Amino acid sequence: AQSVAQPEDQVNVAEGNPLTVKCTYSVSGNPYLFWYVQYPNRGLQFLLKYITGDNLVKGSYGFEAEFNKSQTSFHLKKPSALVSDSALYFCAVRDWKGYSSASKIIFGSGTRLSIRP
Amino acid sequence: DAGITQSPRHKVTETGTPVTLRCHQTENHRYMYWYRQDPGHGLRLIHYSYGVKDTDKGEVSDGYSVSRSKTEDFLLTLESATSSQTSVYFCAIRGGGGPLSRPPPNTGELFFGEGSRLTVL
Repeated sequence: AQSVAQPEDQVNVAEGNPLTVKCTYSVSGNPYLFWYVQYPNRGLQFLLKYITGDNLVKGSYGFEAEFNKSQTSFHLKKPSALVSDSALYFCAVRDWKGYSSASKIIFGSGTRLSIRP
Repeated sequence: DAGITQSPRHKVTETGTPVTLRCHQTENHRYMYWYRQDPGHGLRLIHYSYGVKDTDKGEVSDGYSVSRSKTEDFLLTLESATSSQTSVYFCAIRGGGGPLSRPPPNTGELFFGEGSRLTVL
């Protein structure tokens, strides 16, 4: 069965500093990994994804994530944090069976990112 | 906008009453999902659908049923609501999978609705 772990409930970073939000996963096949962001009282918005290829993927709002197969991790990063990055971040995994297959997409418990001015 | 509408957006009901939440999409996407969001648990998958009348269970399906009689609507029903089902419910859609999908091809990500906040007293 698939699973996703986000070990930190909250991450606090000063504006301008680099940030990292951690995610580890478990799947039986090839992983298909995502990061989503949720602002207060809103639905989730897609940030970036990894399917295959380059281990460093770039996404919206200056975020990037690094896929590490040996450590089964997919950490979200940003070189310089903004106050507006403060939100709830979710990592998700799908067991890759092809674009057209039906499959579950499982989310982690979320990490609240707080950027102080 | 991904063309997803959830209704109702807010509902308060009493224990033991039936409740149906509706997810409507205008994107003609094949795949639809229902999640619930609770503090400390993140998003947990309840049920998902991979086509009309094709559904499957997720992580927390007990106490919930779904129906999908047409592509654009995915209904989530609580046959007899309990206080443990107080939550925020999110519907999501994903493209791909053949003739039901519109170009561009499925890129894998989910598009979410704005959520339905359900309180069971």
